[in-house]
Amino acid sequence: EAQVTQNPRYLITVTGKKLTVTCSQNMNHEYMSWYRQDPGLGLRQIYYSMNVEVTDKGDVPEGYKVSRKEKRNFPLILESPSPNQTSLYFCASSFASGAYEQYFGPGTRLTVT
Amino acid sequence: AQKVTQAQTEISVVEKEDVTLDCVYETRDTTYYLFWYKQPPSGELVFLIRRNSFDEQNEISGRYSWNFQKSTSSFNFTITASQVVDSAVYFCALSEAGGYNQGGKLIFGQGTELSVKP
Repeated sequence: EAQVTQNPRYLITVTGKKLTVTCSQNMNHEYMSWYRQDPGLGLRQIYYSMNVEVTDKGDVPEGYKVSRKEKRNFPLILESPSPNQTSLYFCASSFASGAYEQYFGPGTRLTVT
Repeated sequence: AQKVTQAQTEISVVEKEDVTLDCVYETRDTTYYLFWYKQPPSGELVFLIRRNSFDEQNEISGRYSWNFQKSTSSFNFTITASQVVDSAVYFCALSEAGGYNQGGKLIFGQGTELSVKP
C-alpha cells in the first residue's frame, strides 16, 4: 500500500530534550516536506526537500532541523524543543514539487511541557 | 500575494442535503495548481482532487463535484446528498509553479468544518 508513515503518532516531552520524528514514504517520491498545523494559524511549511541531500527552509524553520540521506526518509529533528513547538506535525511527499498532489502522513501530535 | 480564503468556517447540514464549500484564491502566477483535502476527526489529511490553471473543466467523482472558475478565482466543492461520514474539515490549497514557489509548498485556506447530522 502506497503510504507515508510517521512515528511517533503522539509524544509528550519536556523543554530541551532532543527528539526526532521519523517520516518514511514508499512511493519513490522525490519531494518531501514537513508542515505544522496550529489552531488559528493553519498549516505552515517547516522544511522541504527536493531530493536526496537537497533540503531548504520553509516558512517556519526556526527550532527545527531535517536531513535527507535516503530518498524514502525525511526525519524532523527538534534539538531543544520549546512549548511553542507544541503542534500537530505532518510529513508529506509528492512525485515532484509544485504541480503534484502531496500525500500526507497520519500526523504526529507533539506536546512540549 | 498568494492566498486562499475559505470564508465558511463551519457549515452544518442534515444528511441528504447538498452542500457547497467555497474557495477563493489569489496568485501572481499564470500557472498554478489547486487542491482539496479532507481532514476527518481522526486527523489525517486526505487528498481529494488536483486542478491545474489551464483546465477549467468541472469534475465529478461520485457525490463530489468541483467547479473551477478562473474569472472569479474560485474553486468550489459540492457534496451531493451528504452523509454523516462526510463530516470533516475540508481544506482548499494552492501551489504556484515556477519561481514563485521554490519550496513547492501548499498554501492552505483556513478550512471549513462540515458537520452532517443524521
